Amino acid sequence: QQQVRQSPQSLTVWEGETAILNCSYENSAFDYFPWYQQFPGEGPALLIAIRSVSDKKEDGRFTIFFNKREKKLSLHITDSQPGDSATYFCAASLTGNTGKLIFGLGTTLQVQP
Amino acid sequence: AQTIHQWPVAEIKAVGSPLSLGCTIKGKSSPNLYWYWQATGGTLQQLFYSITVGQVESVVQLNLSASRPKDDQFILSTEKLLLSHSGFYLCAWSLGGGNSDYTFGSGTRLLVI
Repeated sequence: QQQVRQSPQSLTVWEGETAILNCSYENSAFDYFPWYQQFPGEGPALLIAIRSVSDKKEDGRFTIFFNKREKKLSLHITDSQPGDSATYFCAASLTGNTGKLIFGLGTTLQVQP
Repeated sequence: AQTIHQWPVAEIKAVGSPLSLGCTIKGKSSPNLYWYWQATGGTLQQLFYSITVGQVESVVQLNLSASRPKDDQFILSTEKLLLSHSGFYLCAWSLGGGNSDYTFGSGTRLLVI
């Protein structure tokens, strides 16, 4: 059973639009949620992360909205750029639970110029 | 600054042949180390993790083994490759102690024929 689910599997937006990537999780004990960005042929890189005590985390054009009650979060990319085209992985973990970062299946974003 | 180096960058190997992939982390003592496997276009599947020299925990059984012979080195190996071993192998490190931020290497692309 997939503990971290992502939707949609793929997403295409026009340059300048807001891309919304969704994520949900099963284990209500998860308390840390990083998002990773991966370009083809490269390793994933940490993009932005949120802890369950917060409901919003912003970093430039990237914002995470978190709903603990519904066990859902979303990544909003405003003013999308072609350089944002990549696969985005939502992940979840329990703070202090070494070695237990669980990844979703990813959303592939394509930003059309 | 911490750096993570994986080798080789890519390999083409025959079914039944042995394999050894390496990962070295510089600039950080006693990191937590991880091996991940990613099928083409797929999610990140954790294979092994290690919190200290000589200690490795297996997460999934894929006829692979891992070792940590030095504090800064993590090795992934098998004596007999299968076709299903093809994919992208990623090494990652984290600080541990409750910090779940992973830093990934650039990966090794493996094709088994």
